[in-house]
Amino acid sequence: QQQVKQSPQSLIVQKGGISIINCAYENTAFDYFPWYQQFPGKGPALLIAIRPDVSEKKEGRFTISFNKSAKQFSLHIMDSQPGDSATYFCAAQMNRDDKIIFGKGTRLHILP
Amino acid sequence: NAGVMQNPRHLVRRRGQEARLRCSPMKGHSHVYWYRQLPEEGLKFMVYLQKENIIDESGMPKERFSAEFPKEGPSILRIQQVVRGDSAAYFCASSPTGGTKNIQYFGAGTRLSVL
Repeated sequence: QQQVKQSPQSLIVQKGGISIINCAYENTAFDYFPWYQQFPGKGPALLIAIRPDVSEKKEGRFTISFNKSAKQFSLHIMDSQPGDSATYFCAAQMNRDDKIIFGKGTRLHILP
Repeated sequence: NAGVMQNPRHLVRRRGQEARLRCSPMKGHSHVYWYRQLPEEGLKFMVYLQKENIIDESGMPKERFSAEFPKEGPSILRIQQVVRGDSAAYFCASSPTGGTKNIQYFGAGTRLSVL
């Protein structure tokens, strides 16, 4: 049973365009939603995170939009750059729990 | 301040051998987590440890897998009698304390190949 569903599996965007990755969850006990960025041969690194009491969080070119009623959240990368090419994982976590539940990942490629 | 250190980076084992994966958390971190990443899959939680204690092992396979985090030294993930299905990248993460208020910092992983 996959608790966090992520789409698309892969994404190609032109340089300067907007990259959008979507995730959905079922368990309403989740109260922390991080996004991780992973480059080949490296471990995942926290990119940005949101809690369900806010609908949007922005850090630089990266924005999380959160829809609590729909149990969906998405990552938007504005002005996408070739250096953003990586695999992105959405995730969810319960405050009383410590394990991170990851989506399957989106392989993003930004065309120069 | 060094990050989370995992070694070896690559490990090749034949079926039936044992694999030992080591993880040294960031300085000052006493919480360690192990995750497994199968090809084309996201990371899956395996086990959460504090010094000398296993806190949550709900993601560990029931047989052949064990983990420890001794008072001194790195955390060890041990896989006995490896099979081809154990081939994966194993990531360790650490945090200063538990809960969602503290970021888990990941190491670069150990890529295990079982021949």
